[in-house]
Amino acid sequence: ETGVTQTPRHLVMGMTNKKSLKCEQHLGHNAMYWYKQSAKKPLELMFVYSLEERVENNSVPSRFSPECPNSSHLFLHLHTLQPEDSALYLCASSYGTSGNNEQFFGPGTRLTVL
Amino acid sequence: RKEVEQDPGPFNVPEGATVAFNCTYSNSASQSFFWYRQDCRKEPKLLMSVYSSGNEDGRFTAQLNRASQYISLLIRDSKLSDSATYLCVVTPGTASKLTFGTGTRLQVTL
Repeated sequence: ETGVTQTPRHLVMGMTNKKSLKCEQHLGHNAMYWYKQSAKKPLELMFVYSLEERVENNSVPSRFSPECPNSSHLFLHLHTLQPEDSALYLCASSYGTSGNNEQFFGPGTRLTVL
Repeated sequence: RKEVEQDPGPFNVPEGATVAFNCTYSNSASQSFFWYRQDCRKEPKLLMSVYSSGNEDGRFTAQLNRASQYISLLIRDSKLSDSATYLCVVTPGTASKLTFGTGTRLQVTL
């Protein structure tokens, strides 16, 4: 399935490393999202981009830095993370940011911070 | 009170059984409601939207009770392939305010 792709699928990093997660959507959508999914917790919306402009930042620590160079690509730059940041990071996309529109998720990047 | 609450389960049911999940939400301004399905170690996928009048899609029926602020999902004639976690999702109208429940895990057995 190639609708929304994410790389890498798995990532292990130390607290002093810098890494980036990549998301690409091939659906012609104009809104993209980053979510965090931790064990036994609901999905937490981190960032929303609409037409490449950030429209939402849900009080996410600055050690997470999103970038949306165009409507098809979304990055999440990571630096000086903490072990509690270990989680599944999901990217999603949709037509617009109306709450009525289905969101299509990528397979996620499973991140482990040592 | 959590914004969206679900019984985490697991619900263990035999194949062919009927099973129902409820989800309660706290924001009375919520306008759009969904059920997403998430298989083990996979991404969530939309199962169905929930409309005020209730809606049915094959073996799945979703209902909304605005007065009591809950939505439900009924699965009839359960299949092994229905085993998954079912996520309740609500929003007051914009995707930027989408709120997910923790999910209810269903395990269908032979």
